[in-house]
Amino acid sequence: GAGVSQSPRYKVAKRGQDVALRCDPISGHVSLFWYQQALGQGPEFLTYFQNEAQLDKSGLPSDRFFAERPEGSVSTLKIQRTQQEDSAVYLCASSILAGGSTDTQYFGPGTRLTVL
Amino acid sequence: QQQVKQSPQSLIVQKGGIPIINCAYENTAFDYFPWYQQFPGKGPALLIAIRPDVSEKKEGRFTISFNKSAKQFSLHIMDSQPGDSATYFCAATHTGGFKTIFGAGTRLFVKA
Repeated sequence: GAGVSQSPRYKVAKRGQDVALRCDPISGHVSLFWYQQALGQGPEFLTYFQNEAQLDKSGLPSDRFFAERPEGSVSTLKIQRTQQEDSAVYLCASSILAGGSTDTQYFGPGTRLTVL
Repeated sequence: QQQVKQSPQSLIVQKGGIPIINCAYENTAFDYFPWYQQFPGKGPALLIAIRPDVSEKKEGRFTISFNKSAKQFSLHIMDSQPGDSATYFCAATHTGGFKTIFGAGTRLFVKA
């Protein structure tokens, strides 16, 4: 079945490089979430989209982080001038309904970002 | 006030045992408490969720107990199997909110 897919699965970047991480949600899902998961920790919320509208970006750690979902389906998380502390797994999740986080979220496998 | 505190960090049980994972929260606005299971290299997957108007919910071998006055909830896994070996996360959010707060996780190992 078609679940949430993310690409690339692994990304190694040199400090200072820009990276772009892609999320393909389940077709028809209105809501899309990005999370950051540090090693040995739980996921931490980054941002939320309802269709193409970014309704909450309170979890983005700095202005180096930017997310978009221009047509309400595929989303991209961009990190500019990567730093070592950005090393983590970046998870994307989608849910069928609008209106927030109490609907079942389906997670992708994540992109593991390593910044050298 | 946004934290969800989870314990223990790790747990080892024999096959057939009943591991118990505990979580506590502060924010009384939270009204939805999901539990997730995560295998290495995979994203979390929803196991079971509860709202504070019930004190217990069972789905298969998984049971959530909820104590609203103490602001605590726990996951029990009945008749645990080696295939249950994974990391478990409790979480909390509120209706109309967009942000789910996760606990730090419990690594469970079930011995055959």
